[in-house]
Amino acid sequence: AQSVTQLDSQVPVFEEAPVELRCNYSSSVSVYLFWYVQYPNQGLQLLLKYLSGSTLVESINGFEAEFNKSQTSFHLRKPSVHISDTAEYFCAVVNAGGTSYGKLTFGQGTILTVHP
Amino acid sequence: NAGVTQTPKFRVLKTGQSMTLLCAQDMNHEYMYWYRQDPGMGLRLIHYSVGEGTTAKGEVPDGYNVSRLKKQNFLLGLESAAPSQTSVYFCASSRNRGYTFGSGTRLTVV
Repeated sequence: AQSVTQLDSQVPVFEEAPVELRCNYSSSVSVYLFWYVQYPNQGLQLLLKYLSGSTLVESINGFEAEFNKSQTSFHLRKPSVHISDTAEYFCAVVNAGGTSYGKLTFGQGTILTVHP
Repeated sequence: NAGVTQTPKFRVLKTGQSMTLLCAQDMNHEYMYWYRQDPGMGLRLIHYSVGEGTTAKGEVPDGYNVSRLKKQNFLLGLESAAPSQTSVYFCASSRNRGYTFGSGTRLTVV
């Protein structure tokens, strides 16, 4: 079984400042990692994912996350945030091996609020 | 490209009433899931299905039942709704660790 801990429930930041949303996971097997974003009153959208290869993954809107196996972390970063990045962000993991119907396990969510 | 469609989008129930949430996917995905989202708790898995005619319990299955009579549909039932089941419900389907989520159903039990 896996578990995910998002270390900050809320992160307030000013526009154009950098931000880091922290995610740690626990698992006895290899995992794939995901970040999802949920804008107010909307569903979940995939932001980025790590399946294999380069440990640094990027999204099309400037976010990046780095898989750190030794620290069991997958922190999300953006060098300069915009008002439109205000949303709730969820980190999720799934087992990388075994059956291919892996169940996603989510963290508690981090609400990012970008102030002007 | 509808993806995953959930109906209804909103519903208010009285305690003790029953209802069924419908999830339909048009991607021929084998695997489907029902999650509930509560503030500060992320999304928690209620039930899932690995194929037509099969279902299994997730993390928080109590008070819910599911059925997958057709591959494209995954139904979530509440037989006797309780205020603790007030939540936003998300359906998802997947293939090869690629997940598609529906837009959610906001359920309030009064």
